[in-house]
Amino acid sequence: NAGVTQTPKFRILKIGQSMTLQCAQDMNHNYMYWYRQDPGMGLKLIYYSVGAGITDKGEVPNGYNVSRSTTEDFPLRLELAAPSQTSVYFCASSKPGQGHYEQYFGPGTRLTVT
Amino acid sequence: QKEVEQDPGPLSVPEGAIVSLNCTYSNSAFQYFMWYRQYSRKGPELLMYTYSSGNKEDGRFTAQVDKSSKYISLFIRDSQPSDSATYLCAMSASFQGAQKLVFGQGTRLTINP
Repeated sequence: NAGVTQTPKFRILKIGQSMTLQCAQDMNHNYMYWYRQDPGMGLKLIYYSVGAGITDKGEVPNGYNVSRSTTEDFPLRLELAAPSQTSVYFCASSKPGQGHYEQYFGPGTRLTVT
Repeated sequence: QKEVEQDPGPLSVPEGAIVSLNCTYSNSAFQYFMWYRQYSRKGPELLMYTYSSGNKEDGRFTAQVDKSSKYISLFIRDSQPSDSATYLCAMSASFQGAQKLVFGQGTRLTINP
């Protein structure tokens, strides 16, 4: 089991560029999440999905979009990158129901927007 | 007021000391209480979880929840340099059928040999 994988590990974007952060899990988890973590801060939920075809906004969704066409994949799209989107992005997955509290995280993508 | 408050530290203690990490919360709907550990440049991983008020022990780690005071703690006994990490408290409740976690800021802990 690879668990949760994320690509790329690092990326530098210019203001106004777009990119997609990839996330995949091989644990057959229904729930998937995208978080951002700014220095010295906790994790803020951007978007989440409870299954293929179902997504919903989290706490900080502005400037991002997601899709969930399969159980395994949950890409995060940044449109018109801004310096405020400089952060470390983590994807996570979990089982529904009582297993929801154990979220499995990927290694993160470090994004810098200049 | 933030839903979950956690002192970001940093906290530095000598090896072998007892460490106490704390969080307070304001949302009485929270039902599950977790501690995640995050090593530098890695994703968080679940360390412990509790569902009810009281203590839960796992080796050198004890998680404590006081729902009446809306206060949770993590104690680390006989701390080791390998415990050096950021510790994030997290809490959850069901929102319209989905369960989402709310994280504290994280406390950066260093154990000095």
